[in-house]
Amino acid sequence: GQNIDQPTEMTATEGAIVQINCTYQTSGFNGLFWYQQHAGEAPTFLSYNVLDGLEEKGRFSSFLSRSKGYSYLLLKELQMKDSASYLCAVRDEEGNAGNMLTFGGGTRLMVKP
Amino acid sequence: DSGVTQTPKHLITATGQRVTLRCSPRSGDLSVYWYQQSLDQGLQFLIQYYNGEERAKGNILERFSAQQFPDLHSELNLSSLELGDSALYFCASSVGQVDGYEQYFGPGTRLTVT
Repeated sequence: GQNIDQPTEMTATEGAIVQINCTYQTSGFNGLFWYQQHAGEAPTFLSYNVLDGLEEKGRFSSFLSRSKGYSYLLLKELQMKDSASYLCAVRDEEGNAGNMLTFGGGTRLMVKP
Repeated sequence: DSGVTQTPKHLITATGQRVTLRCSPRSGDLSVYWYQQSLDQGLQFLIQYYNGEERAKGNILERFSAQQFPDLHSELNLSSLELGDSALYFCASSVGQVDGYEQYFGPGTRLTVT
């Protein structure tokens, strides 16, 4: 089975940096995704990690440690439009479950002026 | 705009009824996924099809079924609807079946069962 934990809510200030953590215990692992979802809208892809280390993409970075079952999403220079839910998702082992993603409950980030 | 389309956008129906949700993947994508998102359950994977064949199955209820047609569009059928089936239903698509890259999500169908 899959168990994915992330904080339910976080608050940060415009212009600041925020780190959203995700821990997972899964029967198999073949990659971790971060998605952004504004209320009532579709999730949109932010990042993908399959090897340990940091992936940087503009203001957003994502880190993975497979041995610790841990990832974080780092958002820099926060903007008001970054207020959204951030979903951590783990992909099961290739060949076992297609391309099935198991999502955490999401972290609702509120950016304040 | 992800390129994935879903219809209808909203659907209101009564308990016991049956509905069909439709999804057209992005041009060139062969995999289609269905997800359910309710307030208390988060985003839950239901089922994946790849080029017409079922590829992976999540916790999809027996009252629910899906298929992918030769033109690659997909339909999710929900029958004997219950109040608890009220949720946002998302379709997503990707190029491959185990490609490990991003799934592109459609705008969703909001189902309300009264």
